Amino acid sequence: AQSVTQLDSQVPVFEEAPVELRCNYSSSVSVYLFWYVQYPNQGLQLLLKYLSGSTLVKGINGFEAEFNKSQTSFHLRKPSVHISDTAEYFCAVSLAPGGSYIPTFGRGTSLIVHP
Amino acid sequence: DSGVTQTPKHLITATGQRVTLRCSPRSGDLSVYWYQQSLDQGLQFLIQYYNGEERAKGNILERFSAQQFPDLHSELNLSSLELGDSALYFCASSVVGGSINEQFFGPGTRLTVL
Repeated sequence: AQSVTQLDSQVPVFEEAPVELRCNYSSSVSVYLFWYVQYPNQGLQLLLKYLSGSTLVKGINGFEAEFNKSQTSFHLRKPSVHISDTAEYFCAVSLAPGGSYIPTFGRGTSLIVHP
Repeated sequence: DSGVTQTPKHLITATGQRVTLRCSPRSGDLSVYWYQQSLDQGLQFLIQYYNGEERAKGNILERFSAQQFPDLHSELNLSSLELGDSALYFCASSVVGGSINEQFFGPGTRLTVL
């Protein structure tokens, strides 16, 4: 079975600073990877996904993530954050065709952007 | 707005009671997923329906059941409620049930069991 580890439960950062939210996964087969964002009192919204091809994936709101197969990581980055990026971020993994397609979510990282 | 609606938004009830949570998927989506989000367990997949049929089952307790109706809306029934069932319950929908299909999440129902 696959698993996801988000290494930081909380990441405080100042506005306009760069940020990286870390995600590592464990799986013995090929995977699909996702980052979702949850704003306060809302449901999850897809930021970006990696299915295949280029390992650098660009998403909405200026976020990007890089798939690193050797390190089994899928870290999320943004070069300059805004106050409005304050939210909970979830990394998720599902198995590529042939396996379970139900995503397994990490525990989440709370991004707190200070003015 | 994801297009997925959930009712009610908040629900407060007592231990031992039974509640029903409702979800309407996005127009055109055939697949519905239910998740439970709690502080200690994180986001846990409960169950998936596709076009009225159960497709996948996750960590769903026997006290919980769900169904998807012909109009594709879904209901999650929670019975013999315990304090530990207090959580946010999310519904998500997708066009089909495969892993490459983005799931669209509703705003959730916050259940408080007293």
